[in-house]
Amino acid sequence: AQTVTQSQPEMSVQEAETVTLSCTYDTSESDYYLFWYKQPPSRQMILVIRQEAYKQQNATENRFSVNFQKAAKSFSLKISDSQLGDAAMYFCAYGGNTGKLIFGQGTTLQVKP
Amino acid sequence: GAVVSQHPSWVICKSGTSVKIECRSLDFQATTMFWYRQFPKQSLMLMATSNEGSKATYEQGVEKDKFLINHASLTLSTLTVTSAHPEDSSFYICSARGEGGPGETQYFGPGTRLLVL
Repeated sequence: AQTVTQSQPEMSVQEAETVTLSCTYDTSESDYYLFWYKQPPSRQMILVIRQEAYKQQNATENRFSVNFQKAAKSFSLKISDSQLGDAAMYFCAYGGNTGKLIFGQGTTLQVKP
Repeated sequence: GAVVSQHPSWVICKSGTSVKIECRSLDFQATTMFWYRQFPKQSLMLMATSNEGSKATYEQGVEKDKFLINHASLTLSTLTVTSAHPEDSSFYICSARGEGGPGETQYFGPGTRLLVL
């Protein structure tokens, strides 16, 4: 069975600085997708970024980028130029052949002004 | 694009009553919808997967007679919590996925807070 692990329950970053959130996963599938979702205090789940496992190039969305290491089964999220609005709980998720998402435990990000 | 709505956003009910939560995909056809439950500061727990026109598939440990799911159209799925009890109080979230198959991104509704007194 697939698993997703986020080993950092809480992280903090100074406004305008860069922070990296860690995620590792375990799978025997060769074709899969990885996601980072953000859940602010409103609790609305918002897609931050998506990565197809067959693509070697790391996905980027404005200030958000990932470091996808397929062999190491690692999928970290880098947030550059952090803003107060980035404060939220971040979930790493794995999507495989079943179509279901398997979520990590989440990392709460605090942004300090 | 890819907007999913949920109604109601808040519901308070008495123990023993049934509550229906609606999940709608507003700008795309959702062949598959998912229902999750989330406790405070915890991750999302998948309850069931529903495909339009067929019976829902429930995760292990989820009572299908208690949590009735209907996915009657490509834009609407409903979750009915039957004979609700205080332990059913939680945050329920739906998500919807389009026709692209397992790799398609899931888009989430804003969630429904259920409080059973």
